[in-house]
Amino acid sequence: EPEVTQTPSHQVTQMGQEVILRCVPISNHLYFYWYRQILGQKVEFLVSFYNNEISEKSEIFDDQFSVERPDGSNFTLKIRSTKLEDSAMYFCASRRTVVEQYFGPGTRLTVT
Amino acid sequence: GNSVTQMEGPVTLSEEAFLTINCTYTATGYPSLFWYVQYPGEGLQLLLKATKADDKGSNKGFEATYRKETTSFHLEKGSVQVSDSAVYFCALSEMSGGTSYGKLTFGQGTILTVHP
Repeated sequence: EPEVTQTPSHQVTQMGQEVILRCVPISNHLYFYWYRQILGQKVEFLVSFYNNEISEKSEIFDDQFSVERPDGSNFTLKIRSTKLEDSAMYFCASRRTVVEQYFGPGTRLTVT
Repeated sequence: GNSVTQMEGPVTLSEEAFLTINCTYTATGYPSLFWYVQYPGEGLQLLLKATKADDKGSNKGFEATYRKETTSFHLEKGSVQVSDSAVYFCALSEMSGGTSYGKLTFGQGTILTVHP
C-alpha cells in the first residue's frame, strides 16, 4: 500500500540554523500539507500546496518558513533560522481528490 | 473560524470496557469529520470518517456518527483492547466555497490507556 514517507525521522539543530524537512507524498496525490505538533499540544496546520503553489497558510507560517516541490516527487519544508519554539514533530500529508489526508510518520525537530 | 473540542483526557479503561470519547465542533460550512489515531512513536492514521450529516463512520470496531444538530462526532467502541492504547484526534475539514483546500483542524487529542 502506498504511503507518505518523511526524512529524517529526527533532526537536531542549533538555534539560528536552517533546516530542510523532506517528504515524499503518495505518487498520484495532488494536494500536500505540512502540520506540526508541539509536544503535548494539538496538531496544527501550517500550509497547503496545490498546483505548484501555496494555496493556504496559517499565521504560524511566517517568512521563516517556505515549501517547495522541487522535482515532482519530493515536498520540502524549510525553516530559515530556527528558534527554540520551532521544536516540534512535523507531519507531511497528502491527498488526491477524496477528502481524507494520508500522513507521514513525522520528523521530530529539536532546536537547541 | 473552525474549531474542534475533545473531552479532557487521559482516559484509562480495563480491557473489554466500553469507550466513548466526546468530540464537538464549530464550523462555518459543511465539514467532513474524522478520527485519527496516533500509536506510540508513530504518525497519524485515519481511523474513520463521515462526510455528511447522519453518516456513520466505522473501522476496527470503532464508530462515530455525524450529528449536525448537536455538532458532535463522538467516538465509541463496545469492547476495547490493550492494543487500542493510543492518542485519538478528532478533526474536521471544510472544502466548501473554493476558499479552503481541505486543511484539517484538530482537537487536542485524548490519550487512551487500556489495561489488561
